[in-house]
Amino acid sequence: NAGVTQTPKFRVLKTGQSMTLLCAQDMNHEYMYWYRQDPGMGLRLIHYSVGEGTTAKGEVPDGYNVSRLKKQNFLLGLESAAPSQTSVYFCASSYYGGNNEQFFGPGTRLTVL
Amino acid sequence: GDSVTQMEGPVTLSEEAFLTINCTYTATGYPSLFWYVQYPGEGLQLLLKATKADDKGSNKGFEATYRKETTSFHLEKGSVQVSDSAVYFCALSSGTYKYIFGTGTRLKVLA
Repeated sequence: NAGVTQTPKFRVLKTGQSMTLLCAQDMNHEYMYWYRQDPGMGLRLIHYSVGEGTTAKGEVPDGYNVSRLKKQNFLLGLESAAPSQTSVYFCASSYYGGNNEQFFGPGTRLTVL
Repeated sequence: GDSVTQMEGPVTLSEEAFLTINCTYTATGYPSLFWYVQYPGEGLQLLLKATKADDKGSNKGFEATYRKETTSFHLEKGSVQVSDSAVYFCALSSGTYKYIFGTGTRLKVLA
């Protein structure tokens, strides 16, 4: 099992450009999440999904969109990148919420110039 | 709302020293509590968890006890190794989709 994979690993964008981050999991998990990690702020939830075809806003959703067309994939889109979106992005999945362990991908380091 | 507070780092210890990383929480209801570890360049991975009061989670020599009376879940290890150098995150989940993470504590162990 590959677990949770993320592509790309690194990306540099110019302000105003768009991009999509791909997350894939092969554990048949229902729940998937996108977080951003910034120094001194821990992990903050951007969007999450509780099943195929569903998405919902997390703590810091502005400037991002997501889609979950297939159960194993969760895409995070930036339509018009801003320097404030420079961060490390982590995808995670879990069987369900609550007591269940979250499995994390290796992260995508995004720099917006 | 729910929150997690953990001690600021970095924490620097010599090999074989005793480790404590403090974590306290605020939550309604009865959350599950977790410790995750992040090694350089990697994602977070679960270290241990506890799902009810007085439970002790343990893994790889690390332990933490769910203390409802003090709303704490402190991480301990009796003898740290250089390979334990990482960032440690305390987290809680209140039974829905939502996980709340602390800001992380960086541990550096010197040989």
